[in-house]
Amino acid sequence: QSVLTQPPSASGTPGQRVTISCSGSSSNLGSNTVNWYQQVPGTAPKLLIYSNNQRPSGVPDRFSGAKSGTSASLAINGLQSEDEADYYCAAWDDSLNGYWVFGGGTKLAVL
Amino acid sequence: EVQLVESGGGLVQPGGSLRLSCAASGFTFTTYAMSWVRLAPGKGLEWVSAVSGSGTVTYYADSVKGRFTISRDNSKNTLFLQMDSLRAEDTAVYYCANQPGSVFSQFDYWGQGTLVTVSS
Repeated sequence: QSVLTQPPSASGTPGQRVTISCSGSSSNLGSNTVNWYQQVPGTAPKLLIYSNNQRPSGVPDRFSGAKSGTSASLAINGLQSEDEADYYCAAWDDSLNGYWVFGGGTKLAVL
Repeated sequence: EVQLVESGGGLVQPGGSLRLSCAASGFTFTTYAMSWVRLAPGKGLEWVSAVSGSGTVTYYADSVKGRFTISRDNSKNTLFLQMDSLRAEDTAVYYCANQPGSVFSQFDYWGQGTLVTVSS
């Protein structure tokens, strides 16, 4: 079981809006920012959103992030076939000596 | 252009050791913390270890603490992961990633990964 909870799967048709949730606790999302990563199977993960809602250069503005309390979400507007991938949320956890935690990942299918 | 190139993976027997390397280029290595993150077959991403830019501060996941050692050679822009007492559950693709400033920052860029298989 992952420390951060994500739905295992999500789906949408081209052009739709899809959201992926990420739930944590006071020691991670409740006190630190969340980052989101996209991984197409067989390739390296890619940073999609950092510091809750910031997009790195080159990431389309179709992708957006939000956080409130111990929950976060990733939204993808205007879904495209190339968005089919695994999506992970991640945050620093202050418990024990401190460590990074990931969600279990959400496999997004573009139907 | 940022490049992170991992090497050193392979097949090792349970209880054995392996040393992974990550050659970095395209950014000022000493101003970035570095981490190792792994992806086991059929599972999700799992953070393994992180080291500060100076190399003096390190963090480990409980699953590898006492068995793995992270280090870096800033004169050669290279990150290492010494893996001892390997177990079957350590089988995974291991990625290195850079983090701007501190170990608390996001994983900006990732390498392509190196596969470690622990099996008899």
